[in-house]
Amino acid sequence: GESVGLHLPTLSVQEGDNSIINCAYSNSASDYFIWYKQESGKGPQFIIDIRSNMDKRQGQRVTVLLNKTVKHLSLQIAATQPGDSAVYFCAENTGNQFYFGTGTSLTVIP
Amino acid sequence: DAGVIQSPRHEVTEMGQEVTLRCKPISGHNSLFWYRQTMMRGLELLIYFNNNVPIDDSGMPEDRFSAKMPNASFSTLKIQPSEPRDSAVYFCASRRGLAGTGEQFFGPGTRLTVL
Repeated sequence: GESVGLHLPTLSVQEGDNSIINCAYSNSASDYFIWYKQESGKGPQFIIDIRSNMDKRQGQRVTVLLNKTVKHLSLQIAATQPGDSAVYFCAENTGNQFYFGTGTSLTVIP
Repeated sequence: DAGVIQSPRHEVTEMGQEVTLRCKPISGHNSLFWYRQTMMRGLELLIYFNNNVPIDDSGMPEDRFSAKMPNASFSTLKIQPSEPRDSAVYFCASRRGLAGTGEQFFGPGTRLTVL
């Protein structure tokens, strides 16, 4: 099966700093990627997506970068806030299926 | 919109018992997904439906698991008989449209504990 892995299982940042969460994917045919945020006791929540014909996409305080050459995806969160503390998953789409990574736990230190 | 609704939120049962998890997708969404989440394996897709028709059930662990979608507003995931290794959080998600891309909206999940 496909594999989506995360480089850093845990990340701690100071409030106000920028956060970068990384993800490696395995299938070069994957054409669509999503970052999800999951807070304790809740289901994953969509943050931002990017198609394979793009290398960068920006949202509100978040930016996703896609490097297809090395099959790498990153999520950048600007001015990290306590409410950003959660587990972040990347997911790659191949065909009609999504494959999720195991997640990175982000802790924001006040 | 109330979002994806799942019930029950928590289920504790004994090994060998039948468990039924329920999901109501967001109105107007054409695709519905069942996922299982564990610490060891993360989020795993079990099965998904397009327009109430099961498309891919290759993620269903074994014959003890079955899923149905009798109409556009309701789906069930059944485990019979349940085993302790089935303990996990089960999520239902729905999406507008049938294509591979597009945001999936997740429900709050059902935390299943099989003793």
